[in-house]
Amino acid sequence: KAGVTQTPRYLIKTRGQQVTLSCSPISGHRSVSWYQQTPGQGLQFLFEYFSETQRNKGNFPGRFSGRQFSNSRSEMNVSTLELGDSALYLCASSLGWGQGASYEQYFGPGTRLTVT
Amino acid sequence: QKEVEQNSGPLSVPEGAIASLNCTYSDRVSQSFFWYRQYSGKSPELIMSIYSNGDKEDGRFTAQLNKASQYVSLLIRDSQPSDSATYLCAVKGSGGYQKVTFGTGTKLQVIP
Repeated sequence: KAGVTQTPRYLIKTRGQQVTLSCSPISGHRSVSWYQQTPGQGLQFLFEYFSETQRNKGNFPGRFSGRQFSNSRSEMNVSTLELGDSALYLCASSLGWGQGASYEQYFGPGTRLTVT
Repeated sequence: QKEVEQNSGPLSVPEGAIASLNCTYSDRVSQSFFWYRQYSGKSPELIMSIYSNGDKEDGRFTAQLNKASQYVSLLIRDSQPSDSATYLCAVKGSGGYQKVTFGTGTKLQVIP
């Protein structure tokens, strides 16, 4: 079974631009979570999607947004990029959501975003 | 107080020894606990999950959970240089609207 895939793997953008990152979960997984990882802050939760609905949201500004499609693929968008947005963005998929669901998450390789 | 706390390390152990990694969490109603391994430049990979008090063994890895003490640990027996990585503890509360929170990780160095 194929793992979680993320595109693009590397991205260089300029301050003020916007960026869209894509994530395809493991086949059969319906929940997708996004994380930002930086050396100083570790893994920070951005949001979680299940059945095309955002179920959880972390403490990030509104410039960070996401969506999920009917095939469970997900995208996240960052508008008006700032230097501090430079990070590794990780997508993780899991089987389900809600009480009793397995929250074992499987991570994609990540997208390395550099903002100059 | 951080929600999930880990000693950043580095924790250095000789090859063949037992490595003990610890994690404490603040949310008493947390229900699901996970250990991930992350090699430098790579994404985290799930080692194991634990949901009930006690020990859970998988090969050379043993996870231990004590909900009363809000403490979860990971033991690695017969440590190998290939085990050198950062180990992340993750905790999830009860119910769907509780996110998974990660600790900042403990860096493990296994010395040949």
